[in-house]
Amino acid sequence: DAGVIQSPRHEVTEMGQEVTLRCKPISGHNSLFWYRQTMMRGLELLIYFNNNVPIDDSGMPEDRFSAKMPNASFSTLKIQPSEPRDSAVYFCASSFQLSNQPQHFGDGTRLSIL
Amino acid sequence: GQQVMQIPQYQHVQEGEDFTTYCNSSTTLSNIQWYKQRPGGHPVFLIQLVKSGEVKKQKRLTFQFGEAKKNSSLHITATQTTDVGTYFCAGWGDSNYQLIWGAGTKLIIKP
Repeated sequence: DAGVIQSPRHEVTEMGQEVTLRCKPISGHNSLFWYRQTMMRGLELLIYFNNNVPIDDSGMPEDRFSAKMPNASFSTLKIQPSEPRDSAVYFCASSFQLSNQPQHFGDGTRLSIL
Repeated sequence: GQQVMQIPQYQHVQEGEDFTTYCNSSTTLSNIQWYKQRPGGHPVFLIQLVKSGEVKKQKRLTFQFGEAKKNSSLHITATQTTDVGTYFCAGWGDSNYQLIWGAGTKLIIKP
């Protein structure tokens, strides 16, 4: 079975550019989570969805960040405009239910903003 | 707000020594999950604890959930090089639908 699929695996872009990260959750999972990981701040939960509806976006750092889940098989995390401090590994995870099921993580997108 | 404190941040051990990481929540948790992240990898689910006082074992790993459902621990007996990585706890608040992660404990095997 396919796991959580994230694209791209690596992204290098200049500051000020728009960045779009993509995630395909495991089929049948109805909850999706976006995380950011850096050496300085560790693993941060940014936002999560249940049945395509955002439940908690309190971890989104600022208005430059936005996330959507237009359908059950696709989600995007967008940064516009990007800044060097946004450089991090961004993980997407999905689970069968919101709160009492394991989260399955994708391999992550390594983002570098120059 | 709700917090989960995880200690220690790092633990250096000789291969064969034991390792323990602790998580303490400011509020009651409905459940707690443990994940392992190898260097360069992504977090991988290890186990979930739900019941007060629950203890679960996976080979050399022992997981506990406190009686008050506010703390948890992971103990590894006789560490091996394959145990290297960062161990995270993550708990769901009992009174709200909020997921809180610990900061992780990095297990380092001394050469």
